[in-house]
Amino acid sequence: AQKITQTQPGMFVQEKEAVTLDCTYDTSDPSYGLFWYKQPSSGEMIFLIYQGSYDQQNATEGRYSLNFQKARKSANLVISASQLGDSAMYFCAMKEIQGAQKLVFGQGTRLTINP
Amino acid sequence: DTGVSQDPRHKITKRGQNVTFRCDPISEHNRLYWYRQTLGQGPEFLTYFQNEAQLEKSRLLSDRFSAERPKGSFSTLEIQRTEQGDSAMYLCASSLEYGEQFFGPGTRLTVL
Repeated sequence: AQKITQTQPGMFVQEKEAVTLDCTYDTSDPSYGLFWYKQPSSGEMIFLIYQGSYDQQNATEGRYSLNFQKARKSANLVISASQLGDSAMYFCAMKEIQGAQKLVFGQGTRLTINP
Repeated sequence: DTGVSQDPRHKITKRGQNVTFRCDPISEHNRLYWYRQTLGQGPEFLTYFQNEAQLEKSRLLSDRFSAERPKGSFSTLEIQRTEQGDSAMYLCASSLEYGEQFFGPGTRLTVL
């Protein structure tokens, strides 16, 4: 079974600083996808970034980058130059490549950006 | 707006009542997923459809829950004889096969 672990319940960061949100995963599947989603207080899950298990390069999307270390089974999200609007819950998720392709989520990290 | 929509956004009901939620996916997406998110937790998979066929159901989906996707378009999730433990956010997502899942705004259910 797939499992996602996020060990930081909350993070507090000063505006404009970079922040790293931790995510470790466990799976026996050779092929999988790793995602990060942002969930503001409104409740909608907003897709941020994706990393495939066979991708050689770390994924980047604007201010978001994913630090993928396959041997350590970690997929940390790095947000550069944080902004007040980045304050939200952040979820790491894994998707099986075959079958239902359902997402398995971690418990999330609440990020607060201080002015 | 061509994103995933859900209705209602909020629902308050008394224990024992039946409730039904609707999800309208992105029009060309053939896969539709339902997830449940309780307070302080990440979303958990409930069930999914490929077109009109319901292909997998989680053990979380008790006999009181039923989901349909007639004609492979919108989907409904019904909960019969609601219990206080059903209070949660119910999230719908849609995707193309092998594609990224796009989420709707969710329906927040409160059972009194």
